[in-house]
Order: sequence, then C-alpha cells, then structure tokens
Amino acid sequence: GAGVSQSPRYKVAKRGQDVALRCDPISGHVSLFWYQQALGQGPEFLTYFQNEAQLDKSGLPSDRFFAERPEGSVSTLKIQRTQQEDSAVYLCASSLALLAGVGTDTQYFGPGTRLTVL
Amino acid sequence: SQQGEEDPQALSIQEGENATMNCSYKTSINNLQWYRQNSGRGLVHLILIRSNEREKHSGRLRVTLDTSKKSSSLLITASRAADTASYFCATDAGGATNKLIFGTGTLLAVQP
Repeated sequence: GAGVSQSPRYKVAKRGQDVALRCDPISGHVSLFWYQQALGQGPEFLTYFQNEAQLDKSGLPSDRFFAERPEGSVSTLKIQRTQQEDSAVYLCASSLALLAGVGTDTQYFGPGTRLTVL
Repeated sequence: SQQGEEDPQALSIQEGENATMNCSYKTSINNLQWYRQNSGRGLVHLILIRSNEREKHSGRLRVTLDTSKKSSSLLITASRAADTASYFCATDAGGATNKLIFGTGTLLAVQP
C-alpha cells in the first residue's frame, strides 16, 4: 500500500518568506509526527497529533512554527518568516498507535522535505 | 536535544564482514528502535526491541539491549554494499506521548 508522502520534496525560500509543508500519512494511521533533521544529525521531534488533536508541540523551536491536522488525516507544517537556521529536512511520520503512552508503535516515515533558506 | 549517542560515528568495512554499531541513551525507556537512512529510501524502520527483551533477531540483523547500562547494539552480519547507509537508534520518551528521540547516527560504508 501507499506509504507516507510529503510535498514538496525540495523547497528553496528567501529569508523572511513563509512556507507550508504537507504530509499525507498512511490511511487509517491515528498518530502523526513531525521531525526536523539538520545535516549530519538525527531527527529531532517537533510535534505530535493524535487524530486532529495536537497533543505535544514541545519541540517546535519558536512561535514561527505552526502545525495543523484539521481533519485528522493530512497535516501541514507552516514556518513563518523563515530564517537560515530553519534550513533542514522536515520529516513526517505516522503510526497506527491507538493509545498514547502505551509504548511507541512503529513509526513510518515519509521521504522528507528539504528546506533551504537563502 | 538528542537522547543518545552512537558509536562509532563512521564505519567502513568490506562486503561480507560483520558491522556492529552501539547506542547509548540517558533515560528509562519503553522500547528502542533502529532505523536506517539513505538518500534513496529515506528513514526505514529496521527493528524494535522492548525494555523487557534482551536480544532480538530479524534476518541478518541482531539487536541487543542492556537496560542496566542504558545501551544497545546492532549487528549486521554478512554485510552487502546495499547496507551502506546511516543507522540511528531511537527511544520512546514514555509518558503521554509516543515521540521518538534519535541518536546521532552511525554512517556505515560497505565496500564491494
């Protein structure tokens, strides 16, 4: 079946521009995660949704970052007034996990969006 | 911030040899997972080991977990050129969220 898809795959933005990154999770997956991966580093958690509810946004680096999942399926990560330090690969993952806190279910990752801020 | 550190940071071996990567983490965990990442296929889940397990196998992969030392190892046997990738361990944060906290990764190069 189809995996997690993300668009665009590459995005170049001028400093100060707003960007929107899209994630289509695996159909039926309740949990959705966004991670940020800087060059040469492991992914770092940004935010987590269970259906349409954003249960954890502790990893969002500033109030310029905003994520939503209004119908509990597709999610959008928006970055306002982009800065050079926002340059990274943004990864989306989904999992079937039905009950938070029980223990992590396998997360399936999309290919990521590589954002370059000039 | 990263939960764990992986060792070595980079590893180069010949095809057919075994590769061992280690991961250390800082806090109590529910489980630990290993992922592989290369440019062709993104981040792919390899294996999950729960905190009450000590060893797990999947094909050419063998994972061990020592919760007393807060460490895990991933062994890839009979390596192939296609195993060339970065390998990450990831631990769950526990509590009310299911987020993963990744290590810094090991870059494995398998020479044909």
